[in-house]
Amino acid sequence: QQQVKQSPQSLIVQKGGIPIINCAYENTAFDYFPWYQQFPGKGPALLIAIRPDVSEKKEGRFTISFNKSAKQFSLHIMDSQPGDSATYFCAADSGGGADGLTFGKGTHLIIQP
Amino acid sequence: SQTIHQWPATLVQPVGSPLSLECTVEGTSNPNLYWYRQAAGRGLQLLFYSVGIGQISSEVPQNLSASRPQDRQFILSSKKLLLSDSGFYLCAWRGKAGGRDTQYFGPGTRLTVL
Repeated sequence: QQQVKQSPQSLIVQKGGIPIINCAYENTAFDYFPWYQQFPGKGPALLIAIRPDVSEKKEGRFTISFNKSAKQFSLHIMDSQPGDSATYFCAADSGGGADGLTFGKGTHLIIQP
Repeated sequence: SQTIHQWPATLVQPVGSPLSLECTVEGTSNPNLYWYRQAAGRGLQLLFYSVGIGQISSEVPQNLSASRPQDRQFILSSKKLLLSDSGFYLCAWRGKAGGRDTQYFGPGTRLTVL
């Protein structure tokens, strides 16, 4: 199964709150899980990524939590700011393949001031 | 460092007209290249990918075609545009840019078909 299921589809959080975006996958061949951030009218930008041999990765205010046994991973944004308002895509990669990443359908995040 | 360019940034075309969108990558050689389409408020749909000059794989049968005339150039074309071809077109390349080999996107082309 090549799907990556992402939820929620949209999310509104107050400034300073911790939005959480969840993704789940089926294919155990996936071995790299990047997250992309997309602002309106721009291309998605690689935000943070994790390998399945670690359970958590932090970069600044962004944290990925990874549960290999459950085949789930999530993005947390600490101390969220209005500038974090964007669409976030999770993705899964089996590595070395010619075809593209398998993307979730995206989460439209709004951080209210 | 690697850079990916797309042009034009914005395009408005009448139904039935031809299309040519261009993508070029700098700072790398023999990258895998991809074309995606993103409808308004929607996810990313992989249209084509290429592992080398003249090698194109299509993911979705449609009104569009792709070509790779040079190692770092990827072109998306149509002979006759449909209203449903409107969307945000993204080119991406696959390679290492600090760590793991993964995909990096260009700035996109906003296409409106009227």
